Amino acid sequence: AQSVTQLGSHVSVSEGALVLLRCNYSSSVPPYLFWYVQYPNQGLQLLLKYTTGATLVKGINGFEAEFKKSETSFHLTKPSAHMSDAAEYFCAVSEGGGATNKLIFGTGTLLAVQP
Amino acid sequence: ETGVTQTPRHLVMGMTNKKSLKCEQHLGHNAMYWYKQSAKKPLELMFVYNFKEQTENNSVPSRFSPECPNSSHLFLHLHTLQPEDSALYLCASSQESGRPNNEQFFGPGTRLTVL
Repeated sequence: AQSVTQLGSHVSVSEGALVLLRCNYSSSVPPYLFWYVQYPNQGLQLLLKYTTGATLVKGINGFEAEFKKSETSFHLTKPSAHMSDAAEYFCAVSEGGGATNKLIFGTGTLLAVQP
Repeated sequence: ETGVTQTPRHLVMGMTNKKSLKCEQHLGHNAMYWYKQSAKKPLELMFVYNFKEQTENNSVPSRFSPECPNSSHLFLHLHTLQPEDSALYLCASSQESGRPNNEQFFGPGTRLTVL
């Protein structure tokens, strides 16, 4: 079965600093990988996704992630944090095939941005 | 209305009550999902509907009863719930449930408290 591990349930950075949120996955087949963001009192919004092709994926709000098969990782980065980036971030892998496309989510990383 | 909407946004109910959660998607999708989000736990997939047919029931207790009258509407009927059922219930939709690279679009959720 596929699974997702997000290292660090809480990450705090200073405004303007690099954001790095870690995600490792396990999958017996080529994975489809997603990063979602959840702002307070809202649902999840897709930041970016990897399906096939280029391993460096660019998303909204200046975020990007790199698929590294050898490391089974899909870490999320942003060069310079903004106060508005404070939210919870979820990595997910798609368990494709069959009648149902299941998204397997990690436990989330809460990002705090300090002024 | 655009995207995925959910009503009510907040619900408090006693263990003997019967209530329903409603989800509507305005995206022309054919698959709809119910997720449960509890504190410090990964999002749990509960049910999946594809073209109005249920394709996934993730061992959900029978006190949760889903209904999908058409591809745009999804309900979750609740009866004799337990306090541990208190959580944020998220609805999502996607183009089809059998495509692993499909993005799922989420609603804002219903915050349920069971007393």
